[in-house]
Amino acid sequence: LAKTTQPISMDSYEGQEVNITCSHNNIATNDYITWYQQFPSQGPRFIIQGYKTKVTNEVASLFIPADRKSSTLSLPRVSLSDTAVYYCLVGGNTGKLIFGQGTTLQVKP
Amino acid sequence: GAGVSQSPSNKVTEKGKDVELRCDPISGHTALYWYRQSLGQGLEFLIYFQGNSAPDKSGLPSDRFSAERTGGSVSTLTIQRTQQEDSAVYLCASSLGGPNSPLHFGNGTRLTVT
Repeated sequence: LAKTTQPISMDSYEGQEVNITCSHNNIATNDYITWYQQFPSQGPRFIIQGYKTKVTNEVASLFIPADRKSSTLSLPRVSLSDTAVYYCLVGGNTGKLIFGQGTTLQVKP
Repeated sequence: GAGVSQSPSNKVTEKGKDVELRCDPISGHTALYWYRQSLGQGLEFLIYFQGNSAPDKSGLPSDRFSAERTGGSVSTLTIQRTQQEDSAVYLCASSLGGPNSPLHFGNGTRLTVT
């Protein structure tokens, strides 16, 4: 099972780009990388998923280097409503999906 | 369509009592997961089901915890003889079950053991 490591917390200001990096040194060949966002009193919500290189959707981009031992979630022009906890999850071939501790992003005005 | 539904949303119980938490997954989702989240903490994996089978029960904290899933749909997490340390939010998620299928979470059941 691939273990993930993320910064515990990050601060940013409205309008800035935020990059959150996740380390997963023992990622398996068939594992994908998935990011989730969690607001207080809610369950986590899927943001983006990728296997290699770059993936972009309407809310974020995900950058994955060739060795796949890390990944970076990029949030363009954050707003106060992006204040949340962000989890990086690696895996998928087995059902035992283990979340790391997540990164608490605080966006300031 | 409807998302993952959990009930009750809040449960207060006395120490020593048994509780049942229910999860209704998204229709057609074959995989179902239970997680526990203590205040200010990350998600602790408890158990997952593929269909009605739970291949790995090693995440359950003690033998007071059990879970079942019937008809490939609804799941129940039961905690017997509750203890104060069981107080947490219990989250359920479902997915299509294929490799790397994203998880869809409910909003959880907040359990408080007094």
